[in-house]
Amino acid sequence: NAGVTQTPKFRILKIGQSMTLQCAQDMNHNYMYWYRQDPGMGLKLIYYSVGAGITDKGEVPNGYNVSRSTTEDFPLRLELAAPSQTSVYFCASSYPGGVVQPQHFGDGTRLSIL
Amino acid sequence: GQQLNQSPQSMFIQEGEDVSMNCTSSSIFNTWLWYKQEPGEGPVLLIALYKAGELTSNGRLTAQFGITRKDSFLNISASIPSDVGIYFCAGLVNQFYFGTGTSLTVIP
Repeated sequence: NAGVTQTPKFRILKIGQSMTLQCAQDMNHNYMYWYRQDPGMGLKLIYYSVGAGITDKGEVPNGYNVSRSTTEDFPLRLELAAPSQTSVYFCASSYPGGVVQPQHFGDGTRLSIL
Repeated sequence: GQQLNQSPQSMFIQEGEDVSMNCTSSSIFNTWLWYKQEPGEGPVLLIALYKAGELTSNGRLTAQFGITRKDSFLNISASIPSDVGIYFCAGLVNQFYFGTGTSLTVIP
């Protein structure tokens, strides 16, 4: 009954470092998403994927990269961390059948860049 | 990107009171969703709306898809302390866009 699992839950990075945020879902959802949530703001879409091997940019993709080699996993990579990337990152997945299906979210990764 | 304006930004109410909040946009959306987020957790889906004018309930929660397709409303009846959290609307046009949230505090 795991749903969407994100790791790590917290991380502090120095400017210029790189890291990968992990996301895994066990619901056989074909759509997966990465969002960022800044304080007092709604979620902004970074990247999404409609299936293994297929990814596309969302509203705020700059500074991030993604890959989707399996249905279950959708990692988000920060190559050169910048203070502006301090945020809470949420991964989500949706039912098979298309983007109109509601999304199920993980508990988030809280990332600070110092 | 699309702008979704949620109001009010925050609410402080007494337990037992009814709550109303709304989400408006200058753009037309095909789907409206309402989520609740508690501290340290991801948003949890409350209600999904797929058709203009649709009225859908989930226990004490009722949401409506505005007839113009540019707005949506969420009502909570007889609030209880566990209703505390941030409520987000989300509208779909090509991708989901999220509002900035309404923070709800329920005073016992």
